[in-house]
Amino acid sequence: AQTVTQSQPEMSVQEAETVTLSCTYDTSENNYYLFWYKQPPSRQMILVIRQEAYKQQNATENRFSVNFQKAAKSFSLKISDSQLGDTAMYFCAFMNRNAGNMLTFGGGTRLMVKP
Amino acid sequence: KAGVTQTPRYLIKTRGQQVTLSCSPISGHRSVSWYQQTPGQGLQFLFEYFSETQRNKGNFPGRFSGRQFSNSRSEMNVSTLELGDSALYLCASSLSGSTDTQYFGPGTRLTVL
Repeated sequence: AQTVTQSQPEMSVQEAETVTLSCTYDTSENNYYLFWYKQPPSRQMILVIRQEAYKQQNATENRFSVNFQKAAKSFSLKISDSQLGDTAMYFCAFMNRNAGNMLTFGGGTRLMVKP
Repeated sequence: KAGVTQTPRYLIKTRGQQVTLSCSPISGHRSVSWYQQTPGQGLQFLFEYFSETQRNKGNFPGRFSGRQFSNSRSEMNVSTLELGDSALYLCASSLSGSTDTQYFGPGTRLTVL
């Protein structure tokens, strides 16, 4: 079974600054995907970024990038130029490609962007 | 393209009743997964349906069941409701297999009194 751990329950950052959210996972699998999802107060879960484990290059989506350290089983999310709209719960999630469409989520990090 | 839709958005039931929640996936998506979100347990996988067949199942009691129709729409049913079933139920759809990203609906907030 896989586990996903987010060690920072809450974080805050000033608008326009950079913040990094941490995620570690435990698995014996070698073929998997990792995701960051954002859940704003509206509760709609929105995909932020996705990383395939077989890719060494870190994924990037505009202001969002990840630092994927496969050996350390670490998958952190960096948000650059933070905006007020980034205020949300952020969930790290794991998917074992050999086990079908099932996401295992971390406990979440509540991020507050302050003006 | 329209996103994942879930109905109803809010629901209040009493203990012992049963409830049915509905999910319409993104057009062309054939896989539908269901998740339960509670403050105590976080986000937990319930089950996944693909081509009208349950492909994966999480660790939930048999009171939780689901089905998928030929148009890929899915329903989940909870029988004999308990207070602990109060949660946000999220549905997610993806194209087909485990290489595809899941896109979530807005959820159904179920309150059991």
